[in-house]
Amino acid sequence: NAGVTQTPKFQVLKTGQSMTLQCAQDMNHNSMYWYRQDPGMGLRLIYYSASEGTTDKGEVPNGYNVSRLNKREFSLRLESAAPSQTSVYFCASSDFGGSNQPQHFGDGTRLSIL
Amino acid sequence: QQQVKQSPQSLIVQKGGISIINCAYENTAFDYFPWYQQFPGKGPALLIAIRPDVSEKKEGRFTISFNKSAKQFSLHIMDSQPGDSATYFCAASYTGRRALTFGSGTRLQVQP
Repeated sequence: NAGVTQTPKFQVLKTGQSMTLQCAQDMNHNSMYWYRQDPGMGLRLIYYSASEGTTDKGEVPNGYNVSRLNKREFSLRLESAAPSQTSVYFCASSDFGGSNQPQHFGDGTRLSIL
Repeated sequence: QQQVKQSPQSLIVQKGGISIINCAYENTAFDYFPWYQQFPGKGPALLIAIRPDVSEKKEGRFTISFNKSAKQFSLHIMDSQPGDSATYFCAASYTGRRALTFGSGTRLQVQP
């Protein structure tokens, strides 16, 4: 069982370039999330999808868009990358989307924007 | 009101010692408090979680202590081992909210 798979693992972009981070889960979970992790700031929620066909903004959505392609896949897009978006991005999923459901994380995408 | 404050930022403990990490919150609506463990190059993984109707929860060497009146909770790692060296995040959420609010993390190093 792969769990949550993120691609790519590493990426370097130039300012202004666009990119899509991919995430897929094989646990039949309803809810999926995108977080960014920056030193000293923990993980901050960018967007989430409570169920297939729905998406909602999190704490830091500016500069990002998401697509819940189907139940398994949830992508994050940077339309015009900025150096402030240099971070480690984590995708997570959980069952039912309730607050007491454990979230399962992928191993992250390390993104550097020059 | 969504913030969760975590301390210390880093912690060095000798093998066999007790590691203690503290978190405090403001939002009294929070009713779920998990701890996540993260090893380098990996995503966080759920370690242990507690609800505010109990003051303590223990799983093996890991214990969460919860003080509702002080709005604080802590993680205790008994008999700390070098394999426990990782970054630990506290988090909080409430019924109906879809995502977690994380603390800033504590990097634990257990020296042999």
